[in-house]
Amino acid sequence: GENVEQHPSTLSVQEGDSAVIKCTYSDSASNYFPWYKQELGKGPQLIIDIRSNVGEKKDQRIAVTLNKTAKHFSLHITETQPEDSAVYFCAASPGTASKLTFGTGTRLQVTL
Amino acid sequence: SAVISQKPSRDICQRGTSLTIQCQVDSQVTMMFWYRQQPGQSLTLIATANQGSEATYESGFVIDKFPISRPNLTFSTLTVSNMSPEDSSIYLCSVERLLGQGIGYEQFFGPGTRLTVL
Repeated sequence: GENVEQHPSTLSVQEGDSAVIKCTYSDSASNYFPWYKQELGKGPQLIIDIRSNVGEKKDQRIAVTLNKTAKHFSLHITETQPEDSAVYFCAASPGTASKLTFGTGTRLQVTL
Repeated sequence: SAVISQKPSRDICQRGTSLTIQCQVDSQVTMMFWYRQQPGQSLTLIATANQGSEATYESGFVIDKFPISRPNLTFSTLTVSNMSPEDSSIYLCSVERLLGQGIGYEQFFGPGTRLTVL
């Protein structure tokens, strides 16, 4: 089955700096890669996703890149703000059965 | 996105008892899923709740422990049976929304049910 690794497990940045979180996956059949943000006491919130027919996708301060050859994808947050502090999860899916395999999560702390 | 609600939001239960968690969606969806998130951990898929048929369980999860109902396209329940402290987790319902033929889908999560078993 699919295995998703995520790094780093914790990340601390100063407000205004950029943050990068990286994930690798094992199943070459995976073609859908969402990112979720989970704030304390809440369910995961879908913030951006990418499908295997594109290499990069951007939404305001958030961008995701995908390298299918290397089987890795990354989340980039620019101009970080304190409200970006949360746990971020990457996931991968073959797209046929909607079954998401999640990474282990990254706790992002944005300090003033 | 879909609006998903779960009941209860949290509960504290005694070992040996059972708890049924409800998941309600504001629109009809084909696919509904149940995940478990142990304290400080990632999300693990328990099962896919199929409307009109038995749920499909992932390796390590069995129907006797986690019976699931899916009576219609907007509602599902997960029961955690004969609970032990190891069942203390957040239980999350999620739904899939199709974006269109050949485009793909997105998956959205409910707020979760925080279960503590004493």
